Amino acid sequence: EDQVTQSPEALRLQEGESSSLNCSYTVSGLRGLFWYRQDPGKGPEFLFTLYSAGEEKEKERLKATLTKKESFLHITAPKPEDSATYLCAVGAQKLVFGQGTRLTINP
Amino acid sequence: EPEVTQTPSHQVTQMGQEVILRCVPISNHLYFYWYRQILGQKVEFLVSFYNNEISEKSEIFDDQFSVERPDGSNFTLKIRSTKLEDSAMYFCASQGSGRGTDTQYFGPGTRLTVL
Repeated sequence: EDQVTQSPEALRLQEGESSSLNCSYTVSGLRGLFWYRQDPGKGPEFLFTLYSAGEEKEKERLKATLTKKESFLHITAPKPEDSATYLCAVGAQKLVFGQGTRLTINP
Repeated sequence: EPEVTQTPSHQVTQMGQEVILRCVPISNHLYFYWYRQILGQKVEFLVSFYNNEISEKSEIFDDQFSVERPDGSNFTLKIRSTKLEDSAMYFCASQGSGRGTDTQYFGPGTRLTVL
């Protein structure tokens, strides 16, 4: 059965302080790895899809990378508005989600 | 930009009552899903729906749950006899078909509170 583990559970950064979030996964065959952003009380908002090791995608201050066992979400010079929970998921139709990393950016 | 919508945003019900949660997926999408998230826990898959039938369901999706696409735009989740443990956020998602359309787009959710 597919499994996803995210670390750390929570991360507090100062504005402008870059860091990375980790998503480790175990799957029988990777059909896709997805990153979502979730604000409190809201639905997951799509960020990136990655399919194969070595793939990278970028959007504004975020960059997602993929290896055969894990994915990283790098955040460069974050701003307070980047504060949210970041979710990692794997699957094709049935998505299996990790617990998420709650990111707080202090001004 | 097209988006998934859900109604109501918050539903309060008494234990044992039936509830229907409604979703309008993105038009021209063909795959539809329901997920739930109990407060403080992971987002969990409930059911996937394609071509007017369930394609996969989780252990959570027992006989108390059903899904329907009553017309060309709505997708509903019915819980026949709600339990306290059904209290959660319920998210609808939709997905296109064809090459490069693996992404599921989620709605804003319905918060279900069972008293």
